[in-house]
Amino acid sequence: EAGVAQSPRYKIIEKRQSVAFWCNPISGHATLYWYQQILGQGPKLLIQFQNNGVVDDSQLPKDRFSAERLKGVDSTLKIQPAKLEDSAVYLCASSPRWGNTEAFFGQGTRLTVV
Amino acid sequence: AQTVTQSQPEMSVQEAETVTLSCTYDTSESDYYLFWYKQPPSRQMILVIRQEAYKQQNATENRFSVNFQKAAKSFSLKISDSQLGDAAMYFCAYKGNKLVFGAGTILRVKS
Repeated sequence: EAGVAQSPRYKIIEKRQSVAFWCNPISGHATLYWYQQILGQGPKLLIQFQNNGVVDDSQLPKDRFSAERLKGVDSTLKIQPAKLEDSAVYLCASSPRWGNTEAFFGQGTRLTVV
Repeated sequence: AQTVTQSQPEMSVQEAETVTLSCTYDTSESDYYLFWYKQPPSRQMILVIRQEAYKQQNATENRFSVNFQKAAKSFSLKISDSQLGDAAMYFCAYKGNKLVFGAGTILRVKS
């Protein structure tokens, strides 16, 4: 079974530029998560989708971050404009059912804002 | 809101010995799951063990076991016969309506 796919693996941009990350969850997984993990800290949930609907986005900085999940499958996370403090690893995860079983993670995208 | 607290930023253990990592959580939900994930330097999150809140029996996976105290909202991880490959960051996670992580504990294994 293929795992959660994320791209790109690494990205370096200048502040005030825009960037987009892509995630392809495991086939059939209804729930998709985006996390921001700053070095040395635990993952912070940015947004959680159930199929193509948003379950929680309370910690998503909506003035600069946006996310969508088209047709309940792939998802993109966008930052515009980026700030220095956005430098982090962005993790995507998926799980088969809401409220049940563990989440499976991709390898993450490491973003550096200079 | 659900929160997860890991009070040990860093722990060390001698190879072949036993170490326990602590985790407490706060929730008003009655139905939830608890997990321990391992994150090596590659940043890939790997599931170590899971516990269903409705089960009183503590989960065990080979050298890994948990001590789940539901009333105290405590969920510690015990690693027996520690190996060099166990060195990593360990995260406690709560899954109810949301999947929430603690701040993590760095585990160092000494040879």
